Amino acid sequence: EAGVAQSPRYKIIEKRQSVAFWCNPISGHATLYWYQQILGQGPKLLIQFQNNGVVDDSQLPKDRFSAERLKGVDSTLKIQPAKLEDSAVYLCASSPGYGDSPLHFGNGTRLTVT
Amino acid sequence: SQQGEEDPQALSIQEGENATMNCSYKTSINNLQWYRQNSGRGLVHLILIRSNEREKHSGRLRVTLDTSKKSSSLLITASRAADTASYFCATDARDTDKLIFGTGTRLQVFP
Repeated sequence: EAGVAQSPRYKIIEKRQSVAFWCNPISGHATLYWYQQILGQGPKLLIQFQNNGVVDDSQLPKDRFSAERLKGVDSTLKIQPAKLEDSAVYLCASSPGYGDSPLHFGNGTRLTVT
Repeated sequence: SQQGEEDPQALSIQEGENATMNCSYKTSINNLQWYRQNSGRGLVHLILIRSNEREKHSGRLRVTLDTSKKSSSLLITASRAADTASYFCATDARDTDKLIFGTGTRLQVFP
């Protein structure tokens, strides 16, 4: 099966600019996650979707971050305006959404904010 | 917030040796999972152990879980240079049903 696709792989922007990341999950996976991974740390959950509804966005900085999941398939994560501390890898993951199903991760987008 | 703390933060061994990583967590869990992350890549699921299980094996991997101590360990036997990666534990918290990742152990295996 095709894996989780993310684009772009790398992005460099200046602070106060906006940026968007795209994710295409594994076909048929109901649950989609966005994680932020700062260098040297573990991934931190930003938002979790079940189909096209938000299950958890408690750690999403909603004043600058937004996310949507189009028709319960692809998802975009946007940052506007970006801050220096947003420099991180943004990982998208998906899972079938039932039982103990593990997460399948994409390779991430490495964001550098200068 | 991160639920799990891993120990050690970094580990260097020779090929053929065993590598042991430990994970401690704070709240009750449904299951605990271990993931591997190669440099510049996403995480890959290795193994899952449920809260009512004490030990699980998968190839060269052995995972133990002690819910009374809120801790888990991952043992990689007969390590290979290709095992060089960061390893993360992740807990499926019973109260929130969220998967929370630990801080990770960076493993370096020298040929």
